[in-house]
Amino acid sequence: TQLLEQSPQFLSIQEGENLTVYCNSSSVFSSLQWYRQEPGEGPVLLVTVVTGGEVKKLKRLTFQFGDARKDSSLHITAAQPGDTGLYLCAGQTGANNLFFGTGTRLTVIP
Amino acid sequence: NAGVTQTPKFQVLKTGQSMTLQCAQDMNHEYMSWYRQDPGMGLRLIHYSVGAGITDQGEVPNGYNVSRSTTEDFPLRLLSAAPSQTSVYFCASSYWGTSSNEQYFGPGTRLTVT
Repeated sequence: TQLLEQSPQFLSIQEGENLTVYCNSSSVFSSLQWYRQEPGEGPVLLVTVVTGGEVKKLKRLTFQFGDARKDSSLHITAAQPGDTGLYLCAGQTGANNLFFGTGTRLTVIP
Repeated sequence: NAGVTQTPKFQVLKTGQSMTLQCAQDMNHEYMSWYRQDPGMGLRLIHYSVGAGITDQGEVPNGYNVSRSTTEDFPLRLLSAAPSQTSVYFCASSYWGTSSNEQYFGPGTRLTVT
């Protein structure tokens, strides 16, 4: 089993604040993905990072893949209530299956 | 396109009953998979398939069977439900063989076993 630990598990912040979510593993992944999940729905892909050290930006969200391809971070600038949800990282090995992290539940208070 | 569809949305079973969770996709994806989601544990892979007639086990396959007779459908069968199988089940699909296996998820089935 490929273990992916996310931190923090829960995060409650005020609108306009910045935050960072971490995803760490002892395993090397060929790619790492971030998903967001709303209550009662399935996860929706936000981004995929493939290269060690890669940084991708999606509006106010910045994703980084660690140099050794074992960890990743998600940084949100000026959080908005619409960012509320469960954020999941998922690592892909050569076998093409995804191993999901434990999740970070974000609440942005207006 | 409907994407990935799952039925039913909710289900309550008694211990020992059997049932089938349905999953269908209309994107012509080769790869389909089933996950269960439990609090504090993320999503765990139950079974997956890389094409019609081909299935394999994931992390937590015990108590579940799958088959893949067509590209579109990938049903998950619980042979004898147990309370430990109370969970939310998600079906997902994607293209096979890409360097980044980007998956599309269905809306989930919330199963309670009493």
